[in-house]
Amino acid sequence: RKEVEQDPGPFNVPEGATVAFNCTYSNSASQSFFWYRQDCRKEPKLLMSVYSSGNEDGRFTAQLNRASQYISLLIRDSKLSDSATYLCVVNRGNSGGYQKVTFGTGTKLQVIP
Amino acid sequence: EAGVTQSPTHLIKTRGQQATLRCSPISGHTSVYWYQQALGLGLQFLLWYDEGEERNRGNFPPRFSGRQFPNYSSELNVNALELEDSALYLCASRSTGQGNQPQHFGDGTRLSIL
Repeated sequence: RKEVEQDPGPFNVPEGATVAFNCTYSNSASQSFFWYRQDCRKEPKLLMSVYSSGNEDGRFTAQLNRASQYISLLIRDSKLSDSATYLCVVNRGNSGGYQKVTFGTGTKLQVIP
Repeated sequence: EAGVTQSPTHLIKTRGQQATLRCSPISGHTSVYWYQQALGLGLQFLLWYDEGEERNRGNFPPRFSGRQFPNYSSELNVNALELEDSALYLCASRSTGQGNQPQHFGDGTRLSIL
């Protein structure tokens, strides 16, 4: 089983729709979580961190479910400019300072006019 | 604050040659990560350097190597280039301060093997 799994999509949604992606992780020792956005042939850019209590940044809401070991990203009122691949990232560390950063393979979103 | 910078932006080589890619992290970041992203595929982890030491390595052959300098900048070297090495090579830096910090990426180096 992969350490981080995402549905590759594509998710094709009309403008103004609400869309949600999930990302599951296999290691319960995972400590921190992030969502990145990657446009075609560009570098990934940090979208938002994911906090235990859930967090919101404008139209974007991120949530963490430790019991079921998944994180989610909700996008409300989708814009054409939201079309991109969304990557989830899971960090795992220990007291020895070893950090493992694992990227999911990404979920592709296409917002349609 | 300057972001992660990578050079060159594009690099064209032929099979069997050697390539050197460079990365300067965000000021204050001591960790540097290298990834390979072939066209249409996900990020493949290559190497992680922290405080000048190689901390972890992905599933790549030994002809992929690198180093981190005292100023925390890093080089990725690829020897005996093969056609399938054509990809976008991304460098990311990260602060190893308190808490778990996210990675920040450079624009990448696009390596083309002819």
